Amino acid sequence: SAVISQKPSRDICQRGTSLTIQCQVDSQVTMMFWYRQQPGQSLTLIATANQGSEATYESGFVIDKFPISRPNLTFSTLTVSNMSPEDSSIYLCSVETGSTDTQYFGPGTRLTVL
Amino acid sequence: GEDVEQSLFLSVREGDSSVINCTYTDSSSTYLYWYKQEPGAGLQLLTYIFSNMDMKQDQRLTVLLNKKDKHLSLRIADTQTGDSAIYFCALRSSGTYKYIFGTGTRLKVLA
Repeated sequence: SAVISQKPSRDICQRGTSLTIQCQVDSQVTMMFWYRQQPGQSLTLIATANQGSEATYESGFVIDKFPISRPNLTFSTLTVSNMSPEDSSIYLCSVETGSTDTQYFGPGTRLTVL
Repeated sequence: GEDVEQSLFLSVREGDSSVINCTYTDSSSTYLYWYKQEPGAGLQLLTYIFSNMDMKQDQRLTVLLNKKDKHLSLRIADTQTGDSAIYFCALRSSGTYKYIFGTGTRLKVLA
């Protein structure tokens, strides 16, 4: 398994600003993932972040809006840029580790955009 | 594309068994997973089942897999108020590393 922390745990932001969310893992992992969970909804994958390469974005998500960094095997950041109220969601990072293709999740960052 | 469906709500009395169901369309996933999300928290892995198994038991949790019907269920025995949460099934999308999550079932346990 893996222990994952995220910062901040929650934030309230103004429209038009940007927020960077940090994800830290207690062990080295190759694959890290960023998800969005809109209120009352399931999880939607934003992008996959592998160390040493550009993030791979899912349909409907673009790098200009959600730039991602992956400087090493234990850390990643997701920035939500030029925010609007529609970006209000929980943002979760996860890592895949072990022989069972299992993903482990961080506690999430609850973002409210006014 | 792949689709994973769950019923939205389930309400049970404390001490009863809960059964949460999941149906899916993509049958190629090697593992299928159950996660629990408590209010304001991330997802906690509860258990998983290998695709060549029919059943897996882990303390109060029993997972049943019917590959023919593409149906997965999670049974919680002796349900407690602390089991109140949203439960997600998930499987790995065919040929990729991506997970497909179900819609989530909100379990409410009545004292």
